[in-house]
Amino acid sequence: QKEVEQDPGPLSVPEGAIVSLNCTYSNSAFQYFMWYRQYSRKGPELLMYTYSSGNKEDGRFTAQVDKSSKYISLFIRDSQPSDSATYLCAMRRGGSEKLVFGKGTKLTVNP
Amino acid sequence: KAGVTQTPRYLIKTRGQQVTLSCSPISGHRSVSWYQQTPGQGLQFLFEYFSETQRNKGNFPGRFSGRQFSNSRSEMNVSTLELGDSALYLCASSVTGVGTEAFFGQGTRLTVV
Repeated sequence: QKEVEQDPGPLSVPEGAIVSLNCTYSNSAFQYFMWYRQYSRKGPELLMYTYSSGNKEDGRFTAQVDKSSKYISLFIRDSQPSDSATYLCAMRRGGSEKLVFGKGTKLTVNP
Repeated sequence: KAGVTQTPRYLIKTRGQQVTLSCSPISGHRSVSWYQQTPGQGLQFLFEYFSETQRNKGNFPGRFSGRQFSNSRSEMNVSTLELGDSALYLCASSVTGVGTEAFFGQGTRLTVV
């Protein structure tokens, strides 16, 4: 079983839709949870960074972490064509600098 | 504030050669990590350096090595290149590594022919 599972998609939505992206994980030692956005031929860009369980909101983006279910989500409200990219979840154990990534979900937002 | 800078952006090498990639972290960041990204395996951790010391290493052969200099800049070396080493190599910097946000550079695209 992979440590982090993420549906690769692809996911295609109309402009203005609410997008839900998810990851599950198996290692209960993970304490830090991140979402990155990666455009084609670019490096990953940090979108959200959360510690332990709970919600975090930043503009149109909301990250949720449910440690009891080992499940994290990223919601994008009022999606825009510029949100079209691959979204990667990543997580890290406490006391470790190593990030473990999901395979990424490719999102296309159609005008 | 300048971001993470990786050079070169693109490289083409022949099997058996060696290659050195460079990473300049964000000013004030002392931790530098390296990752390999391929379509099949995704992003995989190679190693992490903090204050010129390797603190953690991923499951890669000894052909992959790195170092960090006193100014926190880091280099990664791959010797005896194989076709399977073709990938996007990404460098991430953070203030201390543990418990702090990691910011990535644009990567170096290595093609081995």
